[in-house]
Amino acid sequence: DGGITQSPKYLFRKEGQNVTLSCEQNLNHDAMYWYRQDPGQGLRLIYYSQIVNDFQKGDIAEGYSVSREKKESFPLTVTSAQKNPTAFYLCASSGQGIGANVLTFGAGSRLTVL
Amino acid sequence: GQQLNQSPQSMFIQEGEDVSMNCTSSSIFNTWLWYKQDPGEGPVLLIALYKAGELTSNGRLTAQFGITRKDSFLNISASIPSDVGIYFCAGPNYGGSQGNLIFGKGTKLSVKP
Repeated sequence: DGGITQSPKYLFRKEGQNVTLSCEQNLNHDAMYWYRQDPGQGLRLIYYSQIVNDFQKGDIAEGYSVSREKKESFPLTVTSAQKNPTAFYLCASSGQGIGANVLTFGAGSRLTVL
Repeated sequence: GQQLNQSPQSMFIQEGEDVSMNCTSSSIFNTWLWYKQDPGEGPVLLIALYKAGELTSNGRLTAQFGITRKDSFLNISASIPSDVGIYFCAGPNYGGSQGNLIFGKGTKLSVKP
């Protein structure tokens, strides 16, 4: 089955630590995205990548970093510079043409800072 | 910047009732998307709308692309317990590239058996 796999599902971090969230897709999509979701809020865009080896900041990129070395993979690092990292993180991908605006999401990773 | 306003924020209904929710914006959208999110999971696409005035159904769900291109509606008929979840509308952020979406804050639906 084609889809997006995020791991881990749950992650606990101590303050001051960097953590990396994994996102892998086998949909052959060119574009990948990271969104952050807080309770009672919509999704906010952190970073996105339209093509391998290229990525752009979204609305809330501060304190995060990404890489896109392979088409299938788009890991997100939450650095110690992120002031309020506890949240639900969603990875997504999209294809070409009319489907370029239709995002397919993974199941999410919940990060809790202790 | 662009914003999507969803209403209502939450709904508590009886099983079998019909549900209606909407999404409005001060700016024009060329695409409207409706997603459903189950607790602890990622959003799943329900319906995509691409043309003003378009009315599209997916089972018991019906969504419409407003004629002004500034709003969209989602209706659920004969609700069942598995309809519980958060429903989001979304549209392209024209300040960004394709796939860069803006999301509403969601409508949380609760269904009493």
